[in-house]
Amino acid sequence: SQKIEQNSEALNIQEGKTATLTCNYTNYSPAYLQWYRQDPGRGPVFLLLIRENEKEKRKERLKVTFDTTLKQSLFHITASQPADSATYLCAPHEPDTGRRALTFGSGTRLQVQP
Amino acid sequence: DGGITQSPKYLFRKEGQNVTLSCEQNLNHDAMYWYRQDPGQGLRLIYYSQIVNDFQKGDIAEGYSVSREKKESFPLTVTSAQKNPTAFYLCASTMTGSNEQFFGPGTRLTVL
Repeated sequence: SQKIEQNSEALNIQEGKTATLTCNYTNYSPAYLQWYRQDPGRGPVFLLLIRENEKEKRKERLKVTFDTTLKQSLFHITASQPADSATYLCAPHEPDTGRRALTFGSGTRLQVQP
Repeated sequence: DGGITQSPKYLFRKEGQNVTLSCEQNLNHDAMYWYRQDPGQGLRLIYYSQIVNDFQKGDIAEGYSVSREKKESFPLTVTSAQKNPTAFYLCASTMTGSNEQFFGPGTRLTVL
């Protein structure tokens, strides 16, 4: 069965360091993968989308990599700030299935200490 | 301001009662979705609609019903058949041709 794995344990880092979050998937052949940020009690907010033919994508302090051989995406936040503290969700997508809805991982909670 | 609104933010119901959660969007998006989120878990798809008057079951549709009579609105009814309805419910929408989903603020439903 299809599975999306994100580290369920919270990631605690010091302000200014780089946070790296992992998304592993099995039995998927995603054409693209999305990352979302979710704050407590709020809806997720889209951050980045990376396609299967893209190895890396950047947006300001965010960087996402996508390794279809390892079936893994890494999400990096450089120069992290306490305001980056949130839960980050990944969502690989196989558009050829005809289903446009996303399937999300359970997310990794990031806590940036001042 | 364009966006998705969900109301109410908090909802309490007695066991055995049906309850309808509202979702409205003024983004002119064609597709709309309902997800359920339980503590420490990811989002699970309940129903989705790609066009007015059409909708499909998601992964956990049992005990839920939807309608899509207008492009802007996609209400979700949680029926008494849903065995464990207490959860955080999220509505989302997508523009045709786009992959990015826009989410509403969510409704936290508690069944007493």
